[in-house]
Amino acid sequence: DQQVKQNSPSLSVQEGRISILNCDYTNSMFDYFLWYKKYPAEGPTFLISISSIKDKNEDGRFTVFLNKSAKHLSLHIVPSQPGDSAVYFCAAQETGGFKTIFGAGTRLFVKA
Amino acid sequence: DTAVSQTPKYLVTQMGNDKSIKCEQNLGHDTMYWYKQDSKKFLKIMFSYNNKELIINETVPNRFSPKSPDKAHLNLHINSLELGDSAVYFCASSQDPGQSKNEQFFGPGTRLTVL
Repeated sequence: DQQVKQNSPSLSVQEGRISILNCDYTNSMFDYFLWYKKYPAEGPTFLISISSIKDKNEDGRFTVFLNKSAKHLSLHIVPSQPGDSAVYFCAAQETGGFKTIFGAGTRLFVKA
Repeated sequence: DTAVSQTPKYLVTQMGNDKSIKCEQNLGHDTMYWYKQDSKKFLKIMFSYNNKELIINETVPNRFSPKSPDKAHLNLHINSLELGDSAVYFCASSQDPGQSKNEQFFGPGTRLTVL
């Protein structure tokens, strides 16, 4: 039973445009939501997070939006750069923080 | 200076063998994790350890035995390897999971292939 779903396996965007990566979840008890970025042959690296009590968090070119009523979050990257090409994982944490559940990832291609 | 390191990076072995993967973090974190990324690319938590104590065991077969000799190390020992154990295994660490966002720092992964 997938509690965190990323329904788009891949996304292709032109350099300079906006990339929007989506994520849905089923467990309304999640405390934090996080996005990780992963390059081939490397471990995931943390990108940005949002508390369940917020609806938006911004960090430079990256913004995460949370819609709790829809159990949906999205990551916006503006402007997209070729170096952003990677797999992006959406993740959700249960209360206490010891268990993080990851989505299947979305591969982003940013074309120059 | 590597924050979370894993050895080996690649491991190829026969079914039925016993193998270990080592993980070390130099971040001073209290909590460490093991994740498995299978062929479908899902990243699934296997174990969480806090201050050398097991916190989470996600219904992992008891052929998998994590060992934490100290807070900086969490090794994974696997007995009687099976074909289905083939995957990439990631170690991670974090500080204060219950305090705020639990940003985890991941190692580079160990690709295990069971023949």
